[in-house]
Amino acid sequence: QVQLQESGPGLVKPSETLSLTCTVSGGFIKYYYWSWIRQSPGKGLEWIGYIYYSGTTNYNPSLKSRVTISVDTSKNQFSLNLSSVTAADTAVYYCARVGYSGSAQSAFDIWGQGTMVTVSS
Amino acid sequence: DIQMTQSPSSLSASVGDRVTITCRASQSISTYLNWYQQTPGKAPKLLVYAASSLQSGVPSRFSGSGSGTDFTLTISSLQPEDFATYYCQQSYSTLYTFGQGTKLGI
Repeated sequence: QVQLQESGPGLVKPSETLSLTCTVSGGFIKYYYWSWIRQSPGKGLEWIGYIYYSGTTNYNPSLKSRVTISVDTSKNQFSLNLSSVTAADTAVYYCARVGYSGSAQSAFDIWGQGTMVTVSS
Repeated sequence: DIQMTQSPSSLSASVGDRVTITCRASQSISTYLNWYQQTPGKAPKLLVYAASSLQSGVPSRFSGSGSGTDFTLTISSLQPEDFATYYCQQSYSTLYTFGQGTKLGI
């Protein structure tokens, strides 16, 4: 079955760029939307953005000025870049697949295990 | 943004209890509502999509209902593995938003 795995540095310095990659295995990246979601320690879930396999993106307006999500279909991967990070960006970052039901309603149906990223000097 | 508000924020229950968690949207979202379960250290897991459809592999003791602005997740008979945090999430707008979570404990 389809599995997702996040990878990237666990520690990022303030003002630098956080970069993570999600590798999709057991299936193809094509024909789906793929998202990044984060969860700050002890807090709830925040959707960051999504990308379609064709490259179309949609970002959370609260992060839009700092976020770039890209896709590499040849590697079955998609990536997150978050620039100018601060301590407030410290969180567990999840990648997830956006699945669609027969009624065209969407949900995050497959998740990666998550990766903790700490912003600190 | 569509704001999602869950109640209660935390809940104590026992094995075998029937439990209901409520989620309210700040505007009508039809049935574009999903429920997730998260245990400590794990990623959220999709339980219910489109307000009332059970995700494949999810036990039938879980059920969802509602439309418009008010939704519920019901667990008919709590099992030990159900003690977790539950989140609702709207997909009516592609600015996806989650509720703040309901922590279900003993």
